[in-house]
Amino acid sequence: GAGVSQSPSNKVTEKGKDVELRCDPISGHTALYWYRQSLGQGLEFLIYFQGNSAPDKSGLPSDRFSAERTGGSVSTLTIQRTQQEDSAVYLCASSLVGWRADTQYFGPGTRLTVL
Amino acid sequence: RKEVEQDPGPFNVPEGATVAFNCTYSNSASQSFFWYRQDCRKEPKLLMSVYSSGNEDGRFTAQLNRASQYISLLIRDSKLSDSATYLCVVNRVNRDDKIIFGKGTRLHILP
Repeated sequence: GAGVSQSPSNKVTEKGKDVELRCDPISGHTALYWYRQSLGQGLEFLIYFQGNSAPDKSGLPSDRFSAERTGGSVSTLTIQRTQQEDSAVYLCASSLVGWRADTQYFGPGTRLTVL
Repeated sequence: RKEVEQDPGPFNVPEGATVAFNCTYSNSASQSFFWYRQDCRKEPKLLMSVYSSGNEDGRFTAQLNRASQYISLLIRDSKLSDSATYLCVVNRVNRDDKIIFGKGTRLHILP
């Protein structure tokens, strides 16, 4: 079946612009996660959606970052007034249920470059 | 102490050799453990879960040592295609019950 998809695959933007990154999780998966990974670094948790529960936003680095998940499916991560330090690969993952013993399936990521 | 720690490597290992690396975790109440594999410029993918009794999948063996709070991954008869970064993943059982990814161990299999 179809895996997690993300768009765009690459995004180059100028400092100060807003960007939107999209994630389509695996159909039927109730949990969705956003991470970012800077070059040569580990995964940094950003935000977690689980069903109809309030999202866990504890990983968002600043109020320039926000995310929503519409209809329990597609999610959009928005970065306002981008800064050069926002340059990274943004990875989305979904899982059938949620944290704990549930396998996360990752999308191919969006490589964001802020000039 | 970091919640999940891994030796970043790189481990440079000749093809056919056996290689092992560990991952330590700080929360003794952690319950779920995994190894993910990430190829260069690709997304992470689950390699295997780590069970209390240890588990084996072909050339790969994962073990959990609760007393010393570490998990290990052993790769036998290494192949060139095993070259990747191996991410240790631990469930953090606290009020926020979150999965924590280690920064990964880089493995290079040499021909």
